[in-house]
This record gives sequence, C-alpha cells and structure tokens, in this order.
Amino acid sequence: SQKIEQNSEALNIQEGKTATLTCNYTNYSPAYLQWYRQDPGRGPVFLLLIRENEKEKRKERLKVTFDTTLKQSLFHITASQPADSATYLCARKAAGNKLTFGGGTRVLVKP
Amino acid sequence: AAGVIQSPRHLIKEKRETATLKCYPIPRHDTVYWYQQGPGQDPQFLISFYEKMQSDKGSIPDRFSAQQFSDYHSELNMSSLELGDSALYFCASSQRGSGDTEAFFGQGTRLTVV
Repeated sequence: SQKIEQNSEALNIQEGKTATLTCNYTNYSPAYLQWYRQDPGRGPVFLLLIRENEKEKRKERLKVTFDTTLKQSLFHITASQPADSATYLCARKAAGNKLTFGGGTRVLVKP
Repeated sequence: AAGVIQSPRHLIKEKRETATLKCYPIPRHDTVYWYQQGPGQDPQFLISFYEKMQSDKGSIPDRFSAQQFSDYHSELNMSSLELGDSALYFCASSQRGSGDTEAFFGQGTRLTVV
C-alpha cells in the first residue's frame, strides 16, 4: 500500500546544531510532500511544501529536500533552538484530497 | 487573520453517550477535514468534505458521522461513545485548488469519555 513513514524515535539535539529528519515513501511517487510542526495539545501548523521537481526548499532556518531516487524527503533545522522542540510531521495528499501523515518525529533541542 | 475555529475545546462524556463537535473553516476554504489523534500518535484521517459533499473517508467508525452545511461549517457526530474514543479531534480546512495547498488546523477538541 502507498504510505509515508518517519523515524518514530525522538531526536535529541544540542542547541545550535542541525537537526535532520527523514520521511520515506513507498509504493507511489508523490507529486509533492508537506511538512508540519505540532506542539503538544495543539493542531499541526504548515511549514513547507516541496514538489517532486524541486530539489530543495528553504524557509528561514528550515530546509527541505526531495530525493526521488532514494524515495525520501529530508527536513533540516539549522542552528536549532530550544523553541524548535516539537513534533514534525511529513504529509502527503492522496486522491480525493485526503491528507495523511507519516507518524511524526519528536525533536528535543537541549540548551 | 481568521483561523479554523472548533468548539467545544473540551468535552467530557460518559460511555454510550453522544457528542457533537463543530468546525468553522477559514472563509472561502472549500475543503474540510476531520482527524482523530490519540496519545503519542499522529493525526489519523477520518473524513473530508469538498464543497459540502463528502470527498474521502478514512478510518471513521460507523458510529461516527459528519456533514458540512450550507455555510460551510462542519459537524462530527459521535454516538455510542466508547472509552477508546477519548482523543484530540482536529478539524482542518484548505482551498482545494491544484491539490498542493496546505491545510490549516484548528486548536482541536479534547474529548474524554468516562
């Protein structure tokens, strides 16, 4: 079945370092992937969208890449700060406008 | 800017009772989604509507139903509540457009079934 998956293990990182999260997809070729941030008890917030013909997308300290050969998208947080601590979700929109998530990876940035 | 509004924010119900969750999408958004999120899980897609018609269905129990009204607000009706229905329920809205538009989520309704 078509699905996207993220590493479920939490990522602990020191402030100032770069956090790198992975989103892998199987059994389909997405035209684009979306990345969201979710804080505990709150709704996901859209961060970035990357299309299959885009190698890289940036927004402030965030960078997303899309590798159709490896069938994955990487999400980078550079110069990480404690305020970046949250769960990050990759998402795909399937036929019928159904937005599904990849499980999420929790990031904890330590001062 | 107006965001997605959900009500109520918190709801406590007893087993076998009924609950109704409401969602008011961002003005001019034509698509509404409903999600259920249990502790430690990512949001699970329940159902979506496009221009007031159901457009897709996920893992929504038969005890649940939803509809979108003429003013575009949506309601999720949950009957015969079970303890396992306790979760955060999110509504999101988007403009369908070419398909690659982002979704805007509400603050959620925390349902506790006791």
